[in-house]
Amino acid sequence: DQQVKQNSPSLSVQEGRISILNCDYTNSMFDYFLWYKKYPAEGPTFLISISSIKDKNEDGRFTVFLNKSAKHLSLHIVPSQPGDSAVYFCAASVRSNYQLIWGAGTKLIIKP
Amino acid sequence: EADIYQTPRYLVIGTGKKITLECSQTMGHDKMYWYQQDPGMELHLIHYSYGVNSTEKGDLSSESTVSRIRTEHFPLTLESARPSHTSQYLCASRGQGGHNEQFFGPGTRLTVL
Repeated sequence: DQQVKQNSPSLSVQEGRISILNCDYTNSMFDYFLWYKKYPAEGPTFLISISSIKDKNEDGRFTVFLNKSAKHLSLHIVPSQPGDSAVYFCAASVRSNYQLIWGAGTKLIIKP
Repeated sequence: EADIYQTPRYLVIGTGKKITLECSQTMGHDKMYWYQQDPGMELHLIHYSYGVNSTEKGDLSSESTVSRIRTEHFPLTLESARPSHTSQYLCASRGQGGHNEQFFGPGTRLTVL
């Protein structure tokens, strides 16, 4: 069973608007949640993370929101730019376990 | 500059060949990982190492093997490649502290004919 789920395989957003990528999880023991960005034929790049004791973390155009009661997190990108077109992966981790559990990714397409 | 490197970036080989995918990092990280990833799918952990002479298999069954003789080097070997091994192979490392974030190399795209 998948512990981390990204239910939208793709998302199309107009340049300049807000992109919202969603992720659901089932394991209430996760301590950290991370977002990565991946271009084709390249390795994933770490974007932003959040601890389970927080509900929001912001870094420039990227903000991650965590709703623990709903076991849901989202990544907001404002404003969306053409270079943001990529696959975004959500990942989760338990503090004492140095492994990441990954979602299947959401392909974000920014339209000019 | 601290980084993580993978070679080759692309490899096309015939069935039955033995191959080694190279991964090196200059960050002094103890923990290193190999993942396999196909389009539209999550990253699947195939091997990991938490230090020199320590290697473990991941969640995804794999016919590959790894070694960790030096901290900076974590090569992956396929003794006999098959078309089912066609995939992207990603190497990552993790340092101390933080939120367990891993840092990735550029990947190797393997095609077995």
